[in-house]
Amino acid sequence: AQSVTQLGSHVSVSEGALVLLRCNYSSSVPPYLFWYVQYPNQGLQLLLKYTSAATLVKGINGFEAEFKKSETSFHLTKPSAHMSDAAEYFCAVSPSGGSYIPTFGRGTSLIVHP
Amino acid sequence: NAGVTQTPKFRVLKTGQSMTLLCAQDMNHEYMYWYRQDPGMGLRLIHYSVGEGTTAKGEVPDGYNVSRLKKQNFLLGLESAAPSQTSVYFCASSPGLANTGELFFGEGSRLTVL
Repeated sequence: AQSVTQLGSHVSVSEGALVLLRCNYSSSVPPYLFWYVQYPNQGLQLLLKYTSAATLVKGINGFEAEFKKSETSFHLTKPSAHMSDAAEYFCAVSPSGGSYIPTFGRGTSLIVHP
Repeated sequence: NAGVTQTPKFRVLKTGQSMTLLCAQDMNHEYMYWYRQDPGMGLRLIHYSVGEGTTAKGEVPDGYNVSRLKKQNFLLGLESAAPSQTSVYFCASSPGLANTGELFFGEGSRLTVL
């Protein structure tokens, strides 16, 4: 069984401030972890993924995430927010072997103020 | 490259009517999925397919049927639409086994049931 919890349905930051979106997971097997971004009226696109290689993963648009097994976390960060980062962000977990049926969190809406 | 294409993009139905959503992918992916997205609920898996001719139930399958007669197509049917099926529907695909589980999404189909 696997599950994902995203803390905070909305996160509000000022342009230029640090972005931190939290994701905790549970998985009975070593997981693959993903962050997806959804811009208004669009589908989801992959930001970054962890697949048991380096624990610090760099993605597109300056985002990165760190896999912490001891904390069962995979938080998404970006040093300096840009107005164009305003979107919905989804964390997802998939078992590392077998079905590849991912489970998604409920999403966090990132609001960026000028 | 088209990727994952969903048709139609918008549809309004009356309660009790039927309809089919079509998903087509041109990446030769084995796995295909149908999700629904509702505010505050994230993405919930309706049905999925791990190969041509196979389908399986996801988290919220009631009221929906699917078919995968061709590898590149995955159809989602509503036999008797209900207002509770008002949602945005996303199709996704993935290579399946020997892959890390990353999903490729279509742009969504917005369905309103009156």
